Amino acid sequence: AQSVSQHNHHVILSEAASLELGCNYSYGGTVNLFWYVQYPGQHLQLLLKYFSGDPLVKGIKGFEAEFIKSKFSFNLRKPSVQWSDTAEYFCAVNPNDYKLSFGAGTTVTVRA
Amino acid sequence: KAGVTQTPRYLIKTRGQQVTLSCSPISGHRSVSWYQQTPGQGLQFLFEYFSETQRNKGNFPGRFSGRQFSNSRSEMNVSTLELGDSALYLCASSPGGGADTQYFGPGTRLTVL
Repeated sequence: AQSVSQHNHHVILSEAASLELGCNYSYGGTVNLFWYVQYPGQHLQLLLKYFSGDPLVKGIKGFEAEFIKSKFSFNLRKPSVQWSDTAEYFCAVNPNDYKLSFGAGTTVTVRA
Repeated sequence: KAGVTQTPRYLIKTRGQQVTLSCSPISGHRSVSWYQQTPGQGLQFLFEYFSETQRNKGNFPGRFSGRQFSNSRSEMNVSTLELGDSALYLCASSPGGGADTQYFGPGTRLTVL
């Protein structure tokens, strides 16, 4: 079955540590890839997206993600996290069928 | 531009009742999608509308339905509510749907007692 997998359910780290969240998908063909973030009490916001071109995409707040087609992966990274990055992060895939399929989400807790 | 708005923000219903949720997309966006978010199942796609036509539907029972009006505003309806329908219902809009980026509203928190 087609799916989106996020490897970590909950990540806890200290400020200034580096963050990497894994995302793998099982859709064949062309897909569009997204990372969304949900801060406590706020609605889902787009962090970054990949449609085509350079597989390394940069988003807001210092986040970036790398699309590796051969591995069906779209991992999210941030070199140095802040307390304000505490949130839930969702990887999503759109295989051009008018809907987003989401991973289960990763809760990131940054300790001051 | 104003973002996606959803009303009401919170709703409490009892089993067997029906409920209607409303979504106003970003101005100029013609595609509206609905998602259900629960702790156990995560974010699941309900349906997508474009120019008043449903283009895709998720794997939900027929009790869940929706529609879109000529001004792109959308409503979703859940009939014969069950306890398991308690969730955050999210609406997202995009210019044309398909692979376009979807922008989400704050959601309607539905509690079924």
